[in-house]
Amino acid sequence: AQSVAQPEDQVNVAEGNPLTVKCTYSVSGNPYLFWYVQYPNRGLQFLLKYITGDNLVKGSYGFEAEFNKSQTSFHLKKPSALVSDSALYFCAVRDKDGSGNTGKLIFGQGTTLQVKP
Amino acid sequence: DGGITQSPKYLFRKEGQNVTLSCEQNLNHDAMYWYRQDPGQGLRLIYYSQIVNDFQKGDIAEGYSVSREKKESFPLTVTSAQKNPTAFYLCASRGLAGELFFGEGSRLTVL
Repeated sequence: AQSVAQPEDQVNVAEGNPLTVKCTYSVSGNPYLFWYVQYPNRGLQFLLKYITGDNLVKGSYGFEAEFNKSQTSFHLKKPSALVSDSALYFCAVRDKDGSGNTGKLIFGQGTTLQVKP
Repeated sequence: DGGITQSPKYLFRKEGQNVTLSCEQNLNHDAMYWYRQDPGQGLRLIYYSQIVNDFQKGDIAEGYSVSREKKESFPLTVTSAQKNPTAFYLCASRGLAGELFFGEGSRLTVL
């Protein structure tokens, strides 16, 4: 069964410093991976995705993620954090089952990013 | 603007009542999804629909029902059989590249 794990409940970083939010996955075959951000009492906003191609994926708001097949990881990164980046971040993997591609996403538990001035 | 519209944003329900959450999209997407979000548990899939007049149970479908009579609409009914309905409910539709587009959510509280 496909799964995704976010090992950190919370990440704290000072404004201007680089940030990393970790994600590891377990899938059969090639993974389709996604990152989303959620602000309080709001829906999820799509940040970026990896389907194929370059291992470094660039997304919205200056975020990027590095796909590492050998370590089965897809960590979210940003070179210089902003206070406004403080939010809840979700990693997700597309589910695959016997009925084919249903497009379902399996989400990690989420990581709260706190950027302090 | 194109997107997913969920209503109401906040809803209060007495025990024993059914309530229906609305989800409408104007993105012309075929597939739509309902997720439930609880603190510390991420998102869990309730129901999904890949095409009009067809839908499948997700991981936590018990106590919920859906319909998909129109491409644009995918309402979710939380029935009295759902033992712990207080949660944040998120509707989404799927784009061509596989990413999901989410609405702003509906927060249901059982009094």
